[in-house]
This record gives sequence, structure tokens and C-alpha cells, in this order.
Amino acid sequence: QKEVEQNSGPLSVPEGAIASLNCTYSDRVSQSFFWYRQYSGKSPELIMSIYSNGDKEDGRFTAQLNKASQYVSLLIRDSQPSDSATYLCAVSNSNSGYALNFGKGTSLLVTP
Amino acid sequence: DVKVTQSSRYLVKRTGEKVFLECVQDMDHENMFWYRQDPGLGLRLIYFSYDVKMKEKGDIPEGYSVSREKKERFSLILESASTNQTSMYLCASSPPAGLEQYFGPGTRLTVT
Repeated sequence: QKEVEQNSGPLSVPEGAIASLNCTYSDRVSQSFFWYRQYSGKSPELIMSIYSNGDKEDGRFTAQLNKASQYVSLLIRDSQPSDSATYLCAVSNSNSGYALNFGKGTSLLVTP
Repeated sequence: DVKVTQSSRYLVKRTGEKVFLECVQDMDHENMFWYRQDPGLGLRLIYFSYDVKMKEKGDIPEGYSVSREKKERFSLILESASTNQTSMYLCASSPPAGLEQYFGPGTRLTVT
């Protein structure tokens, strides 16, 4: 079974700080990488996708991918209480029909 | 905006009943997926489909079947519901080749 690992948290950061969320994966042929945000009782919401090594920025969010280290991260700048949620890392590859393999998520708490 | 809808937000069924969960997407996506999400276990893939009348087993297909008669609709069927199928069921769709998956709001199924 291919693994996607995340620290379950909770990760607590003060409002305005940078939150750093990390994810490692075991399948070297993984090709596509995603971060989803999930509020309690709601479905996952896509916030970032990244397909090649390096950084990708979108507003307050930056995704970082290092395929050699099999590592993907999400940085949230200027964290807000509304960012408090569970963040799910997901990876996919063509061998599995591009179905997503999810980590179990990191719970983020942004304190005012 | 991509829209994925699911037929029910909450459903209560009795053990042994046949249960149909419907999912419809309006973005002409080729790929559709069914996941279940359970505390401590994360999201797990049940079935997916990359074309009309095509289906592939995911990680936990036992006790489930699917139907995809039209491109926009993907149904999950519990042939004889059991209490261990109490869960949050999430449908997702995506264009081909590993691009982003978008989730519906989920159906919380309780089997008593």
C-alpha cells in the first residue's frame, strides 16, 4: 500500500503567523500533488495543486514539492482564524488511474 | 465553477436495505470517484470510472457496486447495507490525466 504521511497535529499558530504543513509520500512514481482544506462536517475543498519540483504560490498559500525527497509542503502566510481546518495532502499517478491517495490530514488551529 | 452534487446530505437506512447514492457533475469530466471517510482512517477509494460504462475497483470495493450510464452521473450502490458501512460518502470528478478532483458535499449515511 502506497503511503501518504502527515502529522495529525493539532498544529497551533497565532493569527498572522506562517503555518507550515508537511507531507511525505512513498510512491516514487507519483506525478500530481494536491492540498485540500476540510472544515468539520464539510467535504474537502481544493486549495493548491503542484506537478513539478519547486514552489507554487497562490495568494497566501505556497506549495512546495521536492520529488527527490518525496516531500510536499504547504505554507500559509498571515494565518487567519478562518484557516482553522484539517488540511489533507493527496497524491496521484497514472498507474492508479489518477485516483487520489490521501494522507489522514493535519489539524490546524489559528488562535486570535 | 465546477459543481458536483450528491443526492442526499443525510441518509438513514436499515441493515439489509439496498442503498443508492447518486452523484452528478456539470463539467463534462471524464473521471468520477467514490470515497468514504471515517475518523482515524481518512479518505479511502471505493470505485472510480474514467468513462461511461467503465469502472475500476479502488482500495475497498467489497460490499459496493457502481453504475455509470451517463457521463455526468456516477452511482454508488450498497447491495445490502451493513452497520460497518456507516460513513461519510464523498463523490469527486476530474478531467483526465491527473488534474484536480472536485468533491461534492458528501452524504452522511447511517445504517442501523
